[in-house]
Parts: sequence; C-alpha cells; structure tokens
Amino acid sequence: DSGVTQTPKHLITATGQRVTLRCSPRSGDLSVYWYQQSLDQGLQFLIQYYNGEERAKGNILERFSAQQFPDLHSELNLSSLELGDSALYFCASVRDYEQYFGPGTRLTVT
Amino acid sequence: LAKTTQPISMDSYEGQEVNITCSHNNIATNDYITWYQQFPSQGPRFIIQGYKTKVTNEVASLFIPADRKSSTLSLPRVSLSDTAVYYCLVGEVSTGRRALTFGSGTRLQVQP
Repeated sequence: DSGVTQTPKHLITATGQRVTLRCSPRSGDLSVYWYQQSLDQGLQFLIQYYNGEERAKGNILERFSAQQFPDLHSELNLSSLELGDSALYFCASVRDYEQYFGPGTRLTVT
Repeated sequence: LAKTTQPISMDSYEGQEVNITCSHNNIATNDYITWYQQFPSQGPRFIIQGYKTKVTNEVASLFIPADRKSSTLSLPRVSLSDTAVYYCLVGEVSTGRRALTFGSGTRLQVQP
C-alpha cells in the first residue's frame, strides 16, 4: 500500500460526458502528479500540483483540467469524453526521492 | 530527459537471475537512473535508483558502468510474482520532484 488513494476504482461512462477523478496524496506530501496509461502503453505525464499550485504540464488535453485543494487532495476533470480517453489514470505523490503511485482509476468510455 | 532503450520483453524461469539492460547514451551529468516495476492494473513501484557503479537493496541490484551509457537491473532468483513490466528512467529524479517520463518498458514473464 503506497498510501496514495484514488477514487473511484472503476468508472464507465459515455462519449461526450464529464467525469471527475479524485486523488489523496500520502499524509504530509505536498505534490500530486497525474498520469494517463492507455492499454499496453507507458505512462504519460499529464500535470503536477504542489501545495495547491500548478507546477508543470505534460501532455494534457484542453478538455482535461485539474486542481489541488487546501487539504491537498486533487481532482482531475475530464470533459467531452472520447473513446480514446479510456485508460488508467494514476496519481502519485513524492517522498524523498521516490514517487508513490496510487492504485489508479480505470476509465472506460463507451 | 535522456532517451532510454530497453528490450520489449524477456522470459525467464523461477529461480533464475534476470538481467535487464537499459541503454541511455545521452545521459547527462546530473541524471540518475531509476527503475520502476508495474504489475497489471497497478501503479508503478520504485525498485532502485543509482548514479554510478553498483547499488543493491533487498530486492535488486543496479549495475552502472563507468561511462554510464547503460545500466543493468539484476533480479536474483526470480519467482512467478516478479512477472511485471520494468521501466528504466533517466533524469534528474534524485529528489523525486519531477514528473517521470516512462518508455514502453520491458515485459518480464517468469515461467514455473
């Protein structure tokens, strides 16, 4: 158990819809990273937050947005969903020199 | 971040030592080499990190030659539970405070 929690574990929705994925970092960790992993692909970095502020952006689509709240949990919002958005979405937090990944949310867009 | 090249897949048997080599010809002076393990439908898990020579922990060893243009992850006496994808990453990740760039990884299949 990495100490990073993500909800929901699974999400099935239709094209055009909007969903929100939630991540709680390890206690005391200020950073949250979001990654997307499509089937049999490597992880793609989406966005990073540190103590409520956006720190870095990766390959995040304009239809996607995120935020980190004062209690340090983060939400990733995906809108106008397309079939190609079906993937595992991971968040990670940092302790020392390691990134600790959550169990992921599996999004299926039908 | 330096580009890495590693085999797409490897097969082994229980009890054998497995060595996965990663090439990173463009590694920079400040770059560290980090390996992650990922099981299906789970988040990656940190295995080991090193800068030069040899690093060993309770699960693996990491061998880095003097020119640092490659590295080898060594898993001693693998078991079925070591079947996973192994990612080699190179970059200034010593503090863990940068996003990680994952390649395709090496899919290790351990047979009984």
